[in-house]
Amino acid sequence: DIQMTQSPPSLSASLGDKVTITCQASQNINKYIAWYQQKPGKAPGLLIHYTSTLVSGIPSRFSGSGSGRDYSFSISNVESEDIASYYCLQYDNSPTFGAGTKLELK
Amino acid sequence: EVQLVETGGGLVQPGNSLKLSCATSGFTFSTAWMNWIRQTPGKRLEWLAQIEDKSNNYFISYLESVKGRFTISRDDSKSSVYLQMNNLKEEDTAIYYCTLNYYDGTYYYPFAYWGQGTLVTVSS
Repeated sequence: DIQMTQSPPSLSASLGDKVTITCQASQNINKYIAWYQQKPGKAPGLLIHYTSTLVSGIPSRFSGSGSGRDYSFSISNVESEDIASYYCLQYDNSPTFGAGTKLELK
Repeated sequence: EVQLVETGGGLVQPGNSLKLSCATSGFTFSTAWMNWIRQTPGKRLEWLAQIEDKSNNYFISYLESVKGRFTISRDDSKSSVYLQMNNLKEEDTAIYYCTLNYYDGTYYYPFAYWGQGTLVTVSS
């Protein structure tokens, strides 16, 4: 199975900050990485697929990049509604998720 | 509107079985690829199983660690997908989500839609 190492486990940001989360795969995943947002008590929601393609309706302050084994997800100008946990998913092979990053307000 | 509604969770003793159901609406179920994913109390997400559509001979894939204990199935006439879980262990305690992959002709969206989840607690 492909392992996804996601960091940091938690992140503290002020409103308007830019934050970045990284995921490293144990092997090349050919850009087949997606990012999900989960708020307390809710199911995860898909934000980005195929590394950098935003799902329709997702604000442009969310972005993704990367290739090979190394990928990142960023939120520019953090807003209060972005306070949530974020997970990466590789779907190049049998799907596996990163451990998640909890974004909190400083 | 796409809707996925899971039922069948509850408290079960180790070694026992449980069958989860997911009723769906708002999309063409017969051509959909359906999945089960669980989230542990520690918030870890784990893909469990996928069942493809009739055109792909209902091909099934499993997470290796649940193969032989968990069985995914579907009933296209009821727009429903199921997860039969046998010989349950305490580490199977989790929220179980039914999810739908989506393909719009250009892009493939993994786990694009999720149900609200059903809690399974395995404890004596």
